Amino acid sequence: EAGVAQSPRYKIIEKRQSVAFWCNPISGHATLYWYQQILGQGPKLLIQFQNNGVVDDSQLPKDRFSAERLKGVDSTLKIQPAKLEDSAVYLCASSLINTYNSPLHFGNGTRLTVT
Amino acid sequence: RKEVEQDPGPFNVPEGATVAFNCTYSNSASQSFFWYRQDCRKEPKLLMSVYSSGNEDGRFTAQLNRASQYISLLIRDSKLSDSATYLCVVTPDSSASKIIFGSGTRLSIRP
Repeated sequence: EAGVAQSPRYKIIEKRQSVAFWCNPISGHATLYWYQQILGQGPKLLIQFQNNGVVDDSQLPKDRFSAERLKGVDSTLKIQPAKLEDSAVYLCASSLINTYNSPLHFGNGTRLTVT
Repeated sequence: RKEVEQDPGPFNVPEGATVAFNCTYSNSASQSFFWYRQDCRKEPKLLMSVYSSGNEDGRFTAQLNRASQYISLLIRDSKLSDSATYLCVVTPDSSASKIIFGSGTRLSIRP
């Protein structure tokens, strides 16, 4: 079974630039999550999709972050414009179904450095 | 008070030792609990779920104490390969929304 695919693996941009990350979940997984993990902290949920609908985006900084999952499969997360504090690893995860006991499968993440 | 709290460590123990760490949660209505393992510069991976009756998987034992609102992870006969950060994960309600990760406990096993 192929895992969660993410790209790019690394990205370095200057502040105020834009950046986009891509995620392809495990085939058949209806639920997709984007997490932000700052060094030394646990992952923080940015947005959760169930198929192509948003379940939770309460912690997404909507003035600069956006995400979509138009066909209910792969997803993109965009930051525009980036700030220094956005430097982090952005993790995509998927789960088979949207229940409390369904484990998350993570991709390798995209390591973003904003200078 | 944070929703999920963990001692950041690091816990530095010799190979073969037994080590345990806890994770406290603030929402008494929390439904499900997990331990994830995260190696340096890698993604988190599910280690084990935590059931009300407690569960064991080889050298790893997870316990849930609802009265005191904490979960624990015990590692027996620790191996060098157990060195990692252990993340506590709590789901506050019956949906999978708002899955909350702790900041992690760093464990280092020395030869």
